[in-house]
Amino acid sequence: DAKTTQPTSMDCAEGRAANLPCNHSTISGNEYVYWYRQIHSQGPQYIIHGLKNNETNEMASLIITEDRKSSTLILPHATLRDTAVYYCIVRRTTNTGNQFYFGTGTSLTVIP
Amino acid sequence: ETGVTQTPRHLVMGMTNKKSLKCEQHLGHNAMYWYKQSAKKPLELMFVYSLEERVENNSVPSRFSPECPNSSHLFLHLHTLQPEDSALYLCASSERPGGTGELFFGEGSRLTVL
Repeated sequence: DAKTTQPTSMDCAEGRAANLPCNHSTISGNEYVYWYRQIHSQGPQYIIHGLKNNETNEMASLIITEDRKSSTLILPHATLRDTAVYYCIVRRTTNTGNQFYFGTGTSLTVIP
Repeated sequence: ETGVTQTPRHLVMGMTNKKSLKCEQHLGHNAMYWYKQSAKKPLELMFVYSLEERVENNSVPSRFSPECPNSSHLFLHLHTLQPEDSALYLCASSERPGGTGELFFGEGSRLTVL
């Protein structure tokens, strides 16, 4: 299984960039990396995903290393509303298709 | 409005009760999922439905019984649950299982088993 390892928690000052690391050393060549976040007691929210190239959207940037064994989610200007648990997921291929298996995530606290 | 609606948002039931959780998606998706989120634990994938057919069952006890009458609706029928089944139950949908599209989650149903 392509599992992910993330730090349990991180703090970030408001207005600064938040860099959330993720290790996925057993990832296979055709497996995508996805990032979701979950604000307390709400359903997880999609942020971004990528395969090999770096990706950017209106929420965040995703930097994937050349060997694809790790990635970093970057929130360029963290706000208090970005306080949440961030999940790095390698979408796993099963005999019924590609499924999303979540880890324990990183609890990000944005500090005023 | 996430496009995926779950009811009820909160449910308290005894171990001998029978209840159901409902999920409805308004996104035209063909795949629907049930996840369980217990305190301090990762989300656990329970069931996957594709075009109303169950395609994955991750060793979930039979006291949880899913039903997908059409591609827009998904139910989770609950009977003779245990206190350790207390958790947040999340429904999600995607365009199809296996595609690169992301999952869209509902707000969840918070279940407490007494």
